[in-house]
Amino acid sequence: RKEVEQDPGPFNVPEGATVAFNCTYSNSASQSFFWYRQDCRKEPKLLMSVYSSGNEDGRFTAQLNRASQYISLLIRDSKLSDSATYLCVMTPFSGGYNKLIFGAGTRLAVHP
Amino acid sequence: DTAVSQTPKYLVTQMGNDKSIKCEQNLGHDTMYWYKQDSKKFLKIMFSYNNKELIINETVPNRFSPKSPDKAHLNLHINSLELGDSAVYFCASSPDVSQPQHFGDGTRLSIL
Repeated sequence: RKEVEQDPGPFNVPEGATVAFNCTYSNSASQSFFWYRQDCRKEPKLLMSVYSSGNEDGRFTAQLNRASQYISLLIRDSKLSDSATYLCVMTPFSGGYNKLIFGAGTRLAVHP
Repeated sequence: DTAVSQTPKYLVTQMGNDKSIKCEQNLGHDTMYWYKQDSKKFLKIMFSYNNKELIINETVPNRFSPKSPDKAHLNLHINSLELGDSAVYFCASSPDVSQPQHFGDGTRLSIL
């Protein structure tokens, strides 16, 4: 079983729509969780960290459910510029070293 | 004022050759990383250095040898290149082992 699993998509949504992605992880000792965004042929960029209490950054809301071992990302009022691949990322329990484990990504395409 | 810069951006070479990719960061970070993103878009960590010391060495063929002459540089040398080495290689850095990582814009390696 992969350490981090995501639906590859693509999710095709119209501008203004609300879209949600889920991601599951297999290591219950995983320490930290993030969502990264990767545009086509570009480097991954940190979108937001994910906390157990849930956190929001503008139109983006992230949630962590440790009991069920999944994290989610909700995007409200989608913009064309949100089109990208969203990578679910975690750090396993590895002695404190920051080894990022990436999911394969979920592709989002926002259309007019 | 590029933060994490990699050279070259594109590298096309023949099987069996030896090549190097260079990475430099001007952020004053202590920790640097090499990741590989294959054709299926999976990003996997290869190596990590903290203050010039190797701290993460994933299951990577020993044809791959990282070198960190100082904490602002982490180079990757690859011997006897194989077809399966074709991928995008990303360098990243972080202030220390527990902080978010900033990625370079990748080196696209194609083996003929």
